[in-house]
Formats: sequence, structure tokens, C-alpha cells
Amino acid sequence: QSVLTQSPSASGTPGQRVTISCSGSSSNIGSNSVSWYQQLPGTAPKVLIFSNNQRPSGVPDRFSGSKSGTSASLAISGLQSEDEADYYCASWDDSLNGWVFGGGTKLTVL
Amino acid sequence: EVQLVQSGAEVKKSGESLKISCKGSGYSFSTYWIGWVRQMPGKGLEWMGIIYPGDSETRYSPSFQGQVTISVDKSLSTAYLQWTSLKTSDTATYYCVRAVGGTSGWFAPWGQGTLVTVSS
Repeated sequence: QSVLTQSPSASGTPGQRVTISCSGSSSNIGSNSVSWYQQLPGTAPKVLIFSNNQRPSGVPDRFSGSKSGTSASLAISGLQSEDEADYYCASWDDSLNGWVFGGGTKLTVL
Repeated sequence: EVQLVQSGAEVKKSGESLKISCKGSGYSFSTYWIGWVRQMPGKGLEWMGIIYPGDSETRYSPSFQGQVTISVDKSLSTAYLQWTSLKTSDTATYYCVRAVGGTSGWFAPWGQGTLVTVSS
């Protein structure tokens, strides 16, 4: 059971906009920033979003992040087949004194 | 280019010991926390612990405290994850990560992963 809660799956058709949510608590998302990671099949994860809504250089602006209270969201617009991957949220947890991950959302592009 | 390069895949038997490594390059190794993340087959990511190479301060997830040891040799820019007695349930891919922005930041880059297979 992960500390951060994500829906196990999401799907969309090419060109659509999809949103993946991540729910936490006051000790993690509520008081710390959120990062998002994309894991393509058979590869190591890579950071997509950091500090709630910042994109590293090289990440397309189709990817955006937001945070409100104890929840965060990752939005992907103009969905492409290469976006099919697992997506994880993460945040520092003040009570656990460590990082926590969401359980991951498997995105399928139909 | 900032890189973390991990040691190769391992096949071990239950009860054996193991130490895997993660070598950083392209940045000041001593000034960024290095962490370890477990991914069991077909499962999600689990944060195991983290170490600051500058002074070897180490923090563990409660789930992994006492089960593994994280260490570092800053002269070699290398972090380690060690087991004294492996279990079959330790079968997983282990990633090392650089923590950017301190202990409440994010992970970038990730190592390529080390697959550890433990048989009975």
C-alpha cells in the first residue's frame, strides 16, 4: 500500500488530453513539493516534472504539473503513442522523514 | 553530462551477501544526496534510503532499516547498497538516484538499474 494514491490505469486516444492524479496528506504533498516520473517499458524512470510544475529541459511542454492542497496532477496534452508508460508521483514525507512514491499509473494510448 | 552508472546484474542464492555500486560523474559527487529505489518485478517504486557523500549521513525508509546498508566512498564517487543475507524476496531491480534540491527535492538522473535475482 503506497503512501501516495494513484489510479492504477489511465487511457486516451492520440491527440487527447489525459490527467493523472496523486493524492497524499498534510505530511507529504500538503507541505512539500511533488515530482513526477515517467518509466517507459524496460527502462529506468526519468523526471518529467519537479517542484510541482517545473519541467526539466528536454521535456515537451505537452507535460504539465499542478498541486492543490494534498493532491497533485500530471496532465498530458496532445497524447502520442510514445507516451505509453508508467507514471509515478513522489514527495518528501515529514512524518516518515523520507520520500514516498505513488503506486504508479499505467497509461495506455488506444 | 551528469551520469550515474550502476554495476551489472547479479544472480545469487538465498543467504549470500551482496554489494552493488553506483558511480557518479559529471558533477560534484560530495554535494548531492544519493538514494536507492527498489522495483520488484511488475511492481512500483519504493524509496529505500539515502546518503550524503559529504559526511556519510544516512537515512533509511522504515521498511528497509536493518535490512540493507547504504555506504559511500567519496574518493571513488561511488555509493553502495549492501545485503549480508539475501532473501528470495530481495529479487528486484535497484536504481540509484541523485537527489536534487536537498531532502525534499527530486531525483535526477537515475542510474540504469541493477537487476538482482535471488534463488533458493
